Amino acid sequence: AQTVTQSQPEMSVQEAETVTLSCTYDTSESDYYLFWYKQPPSRQMILVIRQEAYKQQNATENRFSVNFQKAAKSFSLKISDSQLGDAAMYFCAYRGYGNKLVFGAGTILRVKS
Amino acid sequence: DAGVIQSPRHEVTEMGQEVTLRCKPISGHNSLFWYRQTMMRGLELLIYFNNNVPIDDSGMPEDRFSAKMPNASFSTLKIQPSEPRDSAVYFCASSLWGADTEAFFGQGTRLTVV
Repeated sequence: AQTVTQSQPEMSVQEAETVTLSCTYDTSESDYYLFWYKQPPSRQMILVIRQEAYKQQNATENRFSVNFQKAAKSFSLKISDSQLGDAAMYFCAYRGYGNKLVFGAGTILRVKS
Repeated sequence: DAGVIQSPRHEVTEMGQEVTLRCKPISGHNSLFWYRQTMMRGLELLIYFNNNVPIDDSGMPEDRFSAKMPNASFSTLKIQPSEPRDSAVYFCASSLWGADTEAFFGQGTRLTVV
């Protein structure tokens, strides 16, 4: 069974600084997708970034980028130039070709002004 | 499209009562997921459907929980009888079939069992 682990329950970052959120996963599949979702206090779930396992190049979306290490089954999210609006719960997720979408426990990110 | 619609937004019920949560997925989406979110366990997948057929219900905690999808535009999650430990936020999400597709979430139902 696929599992996703986020070992950091909570992280803090100073405004304008960079922060990295960690995620590891376990799977026996060779191709799959990984996602980061953001959940602000409104409870809305927002897709931040996605990465296909077969692509070696790390995905980037504006200030958000990932460090994907397939052999280590690691998928971290880097947020550059942190803004107050980045404060939220961040979830790492795995989706294989069986279509099952599995999430980690989440990391609360606090941004200090 | 209005997005994934869940009802009710909030539900307060007494222990032992039956609770039914409802979800209308985005039109055209053929995959539907039910999740439960708690501080302790994060976002747990309870069950998911493809083309209205339940594929994996291994996350359903007990026989008190059941889910149905009678057609492509409606799904329910029922808890009978409800217990205080069922208190959580329940999310429904839908997507197109495919590992690369984005899942869209409803606003969730906050369930409180007293």
